[in-house]
Amino acid sequence: DTGVSQNPRHKITKRGQNVTFRCDPISEHNRLYWYRQTLGQGPEFLTYFQNEAQLEKSRLLSDRFSAERPKGSFSTLEIQRTEQGDSAMYLCASSLPELGEKLFFGSGTQLSVL
Amino acid sequence: AQTVTQSQPEMSVQEAETVTLSCTYDTSENNYYLFWYKQPPSRQMILVIRQEAYKQQNATENRFSVNFQKAAKSFSLKISDSQLGDTAMYFCAFRQGGSEKLVFGKGTKLTVNP
Repeated sequence: DTGVSQNPRHKITKRGQNVTFRCDPISEHNRLYWYRQTLGQGPEFLTYFQNEAQLEKSRLLSDRFSAERPKGSFSTLEIQRTEQGDSAMYLCASSLPELGEKLFFGSGTQLSVL
Repeated sequence: AQTVTQSQPEMSVQEAETVTLSCTYDTSENNYYLFWYKQPPSRQMILVIRQEAYKQQNATENRFSVNFQKAAKSFSLKISDSQLGDTAMYFCAFRQGGSEKLVFGKGTKLTVNP
């Protein structure tokens, strides 16, 4: 068990470019979550998957954001036509119902949009 | 919409002493869960303690305990015998029953001084 893995750790991009982040949850964790955290704020919920099904999605997740978990294992979060306001830490977490409410978070991907 | 308020942006405590972090929340629901998460400088969020709203007994986890006042919508975290490793951002979070979305407060930066 190596924990939740997120790649890349840092991403710098120019405004208008597309970016994709990857999250590898703890193996056998069927629940996966994406959160966004800006400086001085707590994480904000973006979306939730149970296996490959996206069951909950925040209104924060505009049309430019899309998340997938095609085989119920790793997940990707894509941001199209990035804007400076997208600059944030993107956190992934996973869990298993048997573990109760405990989410296991990754170290995050820090996105900077120039 | 549910909101979580942490009124103490920063706090400090001497090693071995006790400190209490405040959290209030707003909800009209009766079925919900409350959490305290810790985010050390390494960035990975870690669950400290959780409380089900239907339980009157305050949750405890070793040196960490909560004071859950349901009528007042207050959920404070007490850290006893503070250790240098407790230095971190602490986030209070709320989850409504039936949803997987965690709503976080803005956090309290705790520094434990030697």
